[in-house]
Amino acid sequence: EADIYQTPRYLVIGTGKKITLECSQTMGHDKMYWYQQDPGMELHLIHYSYGVNSTEKGDLSSESTVSRIRTEHFPLTLESARPSHTSQYLCASSSGQGGETQYFGPGTRLLVL
Amino acid sequence: KNQVEQSPQSLIILEGKNCTLQCNYTVSPFSNLRWYKQDTGRGPVSLTIMTFSENTKSNGRYTATLDADTKQSSLHITASQLSDSASYICVVSDRGSTLGRLYFGRGTQLTVWP
Repeated sequence: EADIYQTPRYLVIGTGKKITLECSQTMGHDKMYWYQQDPGMELHLIHYSYGVNSTEKGDLSSESTVSRIRTEHFPLTLESARPSHTSQYLCASSSGQGGETQYFGPGTRLLVL
Repeated sequence: KNQVEQSPQSLIILEGKNCTLQCNYTVSPFSNLRWYKQDTGRGPVSLTIMTFSENTKSNGRYTATLDADTKQSSLHITASQLSDSASYICVVSDRGSTLGRLYFGRGTQLTVWP
């Protein structure tokens, strides 16, 4: 089982609140990713990082931001949550040159009321 | 447009039976293809990975096939168990960037009944 952790696992929050979803991995992987997944739909890449101080936006437009101050930590922040942000958020990490296996965390299910 | 299509969308089988899930892709240039298993409320876990030159790969009761010419893959599950109930996601990677861009299918939701 992969050593990648996400907290909280479930979050119910009101519109307009600021939230941070935590993701940590202990595998020493340089690359980390955030995906958004709605029920029955494919995963969409919203952010990724090649390493410390590197962050890039993914394919799906997202109002969230990320930071990568430490190799093992890749938090995602929503400054002002909206109902349209309700979804499952999956964090992943990988090592290597590209196309390698990504290891996923258990996910955070977010519900914005 | 790079896409990954999976069929069927959902499948119900009885415990002990076999089943086959399909994946068609248009991703180019092709690097590798993975099948992931995603249990409800969990993140996906890699089952198999195949590169261009590989036709078949097994992982216990799971056997994946790849036809790179027709851009099709299948995942065969033998002697299904209740714990096989999950979403099975086909993921194709291109080799056009250092990121190793991944293209995800929507998954096949498999339910195994006792």
